[in-house]
Amino acid sequence: GAVVSQHPSWVICKSGTSVKIECRSLDFQATTMFWYRQFPKQSLMLMATSNEGSKATYEQGVEKDKFLINHASLTLSTLTVTSAHPEDSSFYICSARDGGTGDEKLFFGSGTQLSVL
Amino acid sequence: GNSVTQMEGPVTLSEEAFLTINCTYTATGYPSLFWYVQYPGEGLQLLLKATKADDKGSNKGFEATYRKETTSFHLEKGSVQVSDSAVYFCALTHAGDSGAGSYQLTFGKGTKLSVIP
Repeated sequence: GAVVSQHPSWVICKSGTSVKIECRSLDFQATTMFWYRQFPKQSLMLMATSNEGSKATYEQGVEKDKFLINHASLTLSTLTVTSAHPEDSSFYICSARDGGTGDEKLFFGSGTQLSVL
Repeated sequence: GNSVTQMEGPVTLSEEAFLTINCTYTATGYPSLFWYVQYPGEGLQLLLKATKADDKGSNKGFEATYRKETTSFHLEKGSVQVSDSAVYFCALTHAGDSGAGSYQLTFGKGTKLSVIP
């Protein structure tokens, strides 16, 4: 079945540094990718929707200048957390929409646990 | 707005026990409802879904019925196995949306299930 690879699976960084998370669709073209964030004991919350070749659409309350999303190809989307702070520590997960088969489905990465010291 | 409430875990059961994970939702219109499962170290996978009232989704021995009158979508399995140990997420799509919006999911907090031999 379709696979979405998300990397890294966990990262620890110092406050003020930037962290890039990659989300790749391995055997399909993902016209749309979604980025979610989950704080401990909370729901997965949609952060943004990205379409290949265009600017991402951010949900209310998500800072677009802090969470940079690039969807430059049909198989890769990246989320960069700029100038990370401890409050950005969270579980980030991407999903990709397989629009190529006519039976459109969502496939999820395994997530990235970010810890900012 | 849309929201999903599911029972908090963790849930620990013995093998062959009956499983119920409660899920209720709040939404305008007629959302589609989903259960996703995340096995350790893997991405979320769609377990089952229902798109209209009284529909029953089923897969791998799991079932859930879309109950509009009680706004519920409880997950059940008659006899759990150790291999069912995972985190289960109830979710809905934004009713009435089309295009990319119909793939934006609202999730519950997840319920961790541990099945012991």
